[in-house]
Amino acid sequence: NAGVMQNPRHLVRRRGQEARLRCSPMKGHSHVYWYRQLPEEGLKFMVYLQKENIIDESGMPKERFSAEFPKEGPSILRIQQVVRGDSAAYFCASSRQGDEAFFGQGTRLTVV
Amino acid sequence: QKEVEQNPGPLSVPEGAIASLNCTYSDRGSQSFFWYRQYSGKSPELIMSIYSNGDKEDGRFTAQLNKASQYVSLLIRDSQPSDSATYLCAVVPSGGSYIPTFGRGTSLIVHP
Repeated sequence: NAGVMQNPRHLVRRRGQEARLRCSPMKGHSHVYWYRQLPEEGLKFMVYLQKENIIDESGMPKERFSAEFPKEGPSILRIQQVVRGDSAAYFCASSRQGDEAFFGQGTRLTVV
Repeated sequence: QKEVEQNPGPLSVPEGAIASLNCTYSDRGSQSFFWYRQYSGKSPELIMSIYSNGDKEDGRFTAQLNKASQYVSLLIRDSQPSDSATYLCAVVPSGGSYIPTFGRGTSLIVHP
């Protein structure tokens, strides 16, 4: 499968735990975007990364959220000390060079 | 704030009709425009991209771009019930950020 791969597809965490969401971009893609989507709402940009660099994190909450895209391995979106309001679908998209972006299947995070 | 506006709908059309979905954007310098389809509970799927003024056709889909009016539309000919979904307009603004900004989407219902 040459598409964008996200895992896990579903993640349940208790309040206060950490959530780690992974995204492997399409082959040949070096740009990764993370978006969050609440039910019945649009896609909200969180962070834009290229290999080993955070290009724009203006959509990311200042606390508890972090992202990385190491030289080797997938991009990781990390949410520390999760709260109920973090429950959402988190989508990763990748593109070659800022052109067409393709989405992964998403991770549905539920905080209980 | 660079914005992308869509009428949330729902837009209801009979099977076989033409569905017309519209999108306006605020950043006059935007260069790249995309339409995504999102079925309920699924991830967005890229269906059309357009970069220059005019029409671009792909099967039953036609994207139309008018940069002077800051307007992009998607026409779906011979609409089918399987086209029922939320259609998201995405715009890559000027300034070299390469970050797609999404509208909240228009819900399309094609009834038999």
